Amino acid sequence: DSGVTQTPKHLITATGQRVTLRCSPRSGDLSVYWYQQSLDQGLQFLIQYYNGEERAKGNILERFSAQQFPDLHSELNLSSLELGDSALYFCASSVGTTGVGTDTQYFGPGTRLTVL
Amino acid sequence: DAKTTQPTSMDCAEGRAANLPCNHSTISGNEYVYWYRQIHSQGPQYIIHGLKNNETNEMASLIITEDRKSSTLILPHATLRDTAVYYCIVRAGASQGAQKLVFGQGTRLTINP
Repeated sequence: DSGVTQTPKHLITATGQRVTLRCSPRSGDLSVYWYQQSLDQGLQFLIQYYNGEERAKGNILERFSAQQFPDLHSELNLSSLELGDSALYFCASSVGTTGVGTDTQYFGPGTRLTVL
Repeated sequence: DAKTTQPTSMDCAEGRAANLPCNHSTISGNEYVYWYRQIHSQGPQYIIHGLKNNETNEMASLIITEDRKSSTLILPHATLRDTAVYYCIVRAGASQGAQKLVFGQGTRLTINP
């Protein structure tokens, strides 16, 4: 158990709909990352938040958005869903070290999204 | 972040040591070598990381060559539960600001009874 929790575990919805995925980081971690894993693309970085602020952006679609709340949990919002958005969505967290050394990310169990 | 090259798949007998190689010939001096694994469709699991020196923890050992252009992850006594995809990732230190992990295709390790 990494200490990172994600809900829901599974989500089935229809095209055109909007869903929200939730992530709670490990206690004490300030950084949250979102990754998408689809069959043809592998694991891809979407976006990172640090202490409530967006820090880095990857290949995140404009239909997708995220935020990190004052209690440090994060939500990933996916709208106007398409069949191709079906994937595993993972959240990771880290302390958020910015100085000397490195900053290890720990992953949650993921949310499996199926768009029909 | 430097690119890594790993074999697509490997097999190992249960109880034997599994040695997973990774080439990262373009690694920079401030870049770390990280290993994660993913069992079936579970979340990637952190295994170990290192900069220059060899590292060992309760899960595995990491051997980094002196020129840092390659490394080997060693699972000393592989069990069936070690069957997974293993990812070798090279990334800059925290002070460099590059926080994301870039996953390649990894090595699919199968432990055989």
